[in-house]
Amino acid sequence: GNSVTQMEGPVTLSEEAFLTINCTYTATGYPSLFWYVQYPGEGLQLLLKATKADDKGSNKGFEATYRKETTSFHLEKGSVQVSDSAVYFCALITNTGNQFYFGTGTSLTVIP
Amino acid sequence: ETGVTQSPTHLIKTRGQQVTLRCSSQSGHNTVSWYQQALGQGPQFIFQYYREEENGRGNFPPRFSGLQFPNYSSELNVNALELDDSALYLCASSSGQVTDTQYFGPGTRLTVL
Repeated sequence: GNSVTQMEGPVTLSEEAFLTINCTYTATGYPSLFWYVQYPGEGLQLLLKATKADDKGSNKGFEATYRKETTSFHLEKGSVQVSDSAVYFCALITNTGNQFYFGTGTSLTVIP
Repeated sequence: ETGVTQSPTHLIKTRGQQVTLRCSSQSGHNTVSWYQQALGQGPQFIFQYYREEENGRGNFPPRFSGLQFPNYSSELNVNALELDDSALYLCASSSGQVTDTQYFGPGTRLTVL
């Protein structure tokens, strides 16, 4: 079946620290991989995506590389800001499917 | 271009009642998907509607039903509400049946007492 596992939170970092949120997946077919961000009281916003192996998605200083050999899509940012405080969801969709499979989310709090 | 909108924003119901949630898809989109997000969890796929027909369903009982209208807006209906139905309900719109680009609305927070 299809599933996404991401690291447990919550994560608390100081401003300008390096961020890594781990995500691994299990999928049938050839999935596309995503990171979504959810700010308090809001819906999901697409942060970045990668549609095939070795692709790197990037946006707003965040990056993630689609690693087929390790079935991973870890999210990284070199220097976090207070405004990055949110819940981050890793997700996949297969090339034959029509539904997203989400991880349980990782809450990030960045303190000044 | 308007984004995805949902109504109402918040709703409180009691066990056994019925509820209808609404979603207006983004302009030009013909597909709407519904997700349930329980507190502290990731969203779970309920079902998708494509051109007014159900096009896939997740592991939810039949008391979760939906509709899509000719203008591609959609409703999610839940009958015989249970306490565990308390969640944020998200809809996402997209163009086409199989696409990796879905745009999410802000959600409806349902509380069942």
